[in-house]
Amino acid sequence: DAMVIQNPRYQVTQFGKPVTLSCSQTLNHNVMYWYQQKSSQAPKLLFHYYDKDFNNEADTPDNFQSRRPNTSFCFLDIRSPGLGDAAMYLCATSRGKLGNQETQYFGPGTRLLVL
Amino acid sequence: AQTVTQSQPEMSVQEAETVTLSCTYDTSESNYYLFWYKQPPSRQMILVIRQEAYKQQNATENRFSVNFQKAAKSFSLKISDSQLGDTAMYFCAFMRPGANNLFFGTGTRLTVIP
Repeated sequence: DAMVIQNPRYQVTQFGKPVTLSCSQTLNHNVMYWYQQKSSQAPKLLFHYYDKDFNNEADTPDNFQSRRPNTSFCFLDIRSPGLGDAAMYLCATSRGKLGNQETQYFGPGTRLLVL
Repeated sequence: AQTVTQSQPEMSVQEAETVTLSCTYDTSESNYYLFWYKQPPSRQMILVIRQEAYKQQNATENRFSVNFQKAAKSFSLKISDSQLGDTAMYFCAFMRPGANNLFFGTGTRLTVIP
């Protein structure tokens, strides 16, 4: 059974056209994360939510925003996608903070193509 | 800043053989966590194994084991009796205590050959 669900799996958008990627989880986990993974590179954390508390990584561009309307859903909004934003976007969850013996569960990712 | 280095972009191993993937990291912390994640083609990333730096004993999960050398800041993954399903990208990752973000290496693409 899918635990971390990302829709769609592939998303095509136009340069400068806002796009939203979705993530949902059936695990009732407190923490949700968004990673960006460019081709042949390591996943890079953009931000995470601990419950409703939003934590932005210092080097995440302002072009990237996130919303978490409830425990189950988290959205990644890219306000004005550029060609350099084409990547795989991974959503992940954990029950609590990772240092407390918690495990991170990843979704299958959404591959974003910017035309 | 923490850095994680995986010096082997690609590796291959014959089915049923053993392979070791290398990972080194740089940190000034004395306590931290290290992870190996597996990302199969077109599938989600899953945790393979975790090591806590204050534990001297190397972590083991079935066919997967690590060789953690704290002084050398090395954290290699050994896969024994390799199976076709082990074909994947493997990422080494580092995390500071109290933090909630992982620093990943650039990955090693492992192919298990029948």
